Amino acid sequence: QSMLTQPPSVSAAPGQKVTISCSGSSSNIGNNYVSWYEQLPGTAPKLLIYENNKRPSGIPDRFSGSKSGTSATLGITGLQTGDEADYFCGTWDISLNAYVFGTGTKVTVL
Amino acid sequence: VQLVESGGGLVQPGGSLRLSCAASGFTFSTHWMHWVRQAPGKGLVWVSRINTDGSSTRYADSVKGRFIISRDNAKNTLYLQMISLRAEDTAVYYCARQYSGYAAFDYWGQGTLVAVSS
Repeated sequence: QSMLTQPPSVSAAPGQKVTISCSGSSSNIGNNYVSWYEQLPGTAPKLLIYENNKRPSGIPDRFSGSKSGTSATLGITGLQTGDEADYFCGTWDISLNAYVFGTGTKVTVL
Repeated sequence: VQLVESGGGLVQPGGSLRLSCAASGFTFSTHWMHWVRQAPGKGLVWVSRINTDGSSTRYADSVKGRFIISRDNAKNTLYLQMISLRAEDTAVYYCARQYSGYAAFDYWGQGTLVAVSS
């Protein structure tokens, strides 16, 4: 099953900003909204961003999303130790007729 | 909102298992539901989805013909019947609620582990 491409890891010091890229194709990101999920160690994923850049209730504005063409980006500002987690992008793929997730990115706070 | 999976366990290759996901705290019958799995140390993989009344289902190619998703709206429960299980089906299986109108999952269960091994 096809997956969206993310960098394996990103890191930054507390208080700094990180960005995570998510690369796809015209059959998925290029034609659908992107969502982002945070998965803390040993827990279930949690929705951070939907419809490219919208935050569900309770998600702080330190988290932001954007999309351009066949790529999307998650930004985290004011990095905290509690942000150490795996982050996944996701969207519907119209060719596969299936939901596809990104390969996942581990965020490390130095 | 709460989603609680059950039914996981150790099963031999070729065996069968039925997972359940008990939903509470919301109107279950108005939401599309999904199953997503995660092999140990790996990423998330979408498995299947079902619409509100169960009349429409979709599957990942890797499970098509072996897994069946269903729901009982009277019991607020989602199911995943799995047959002909393979070692590569070993994973934590999550049920997830689709955020109405959006291609996103806004609530997830805690997951249930399925281990396929002889």
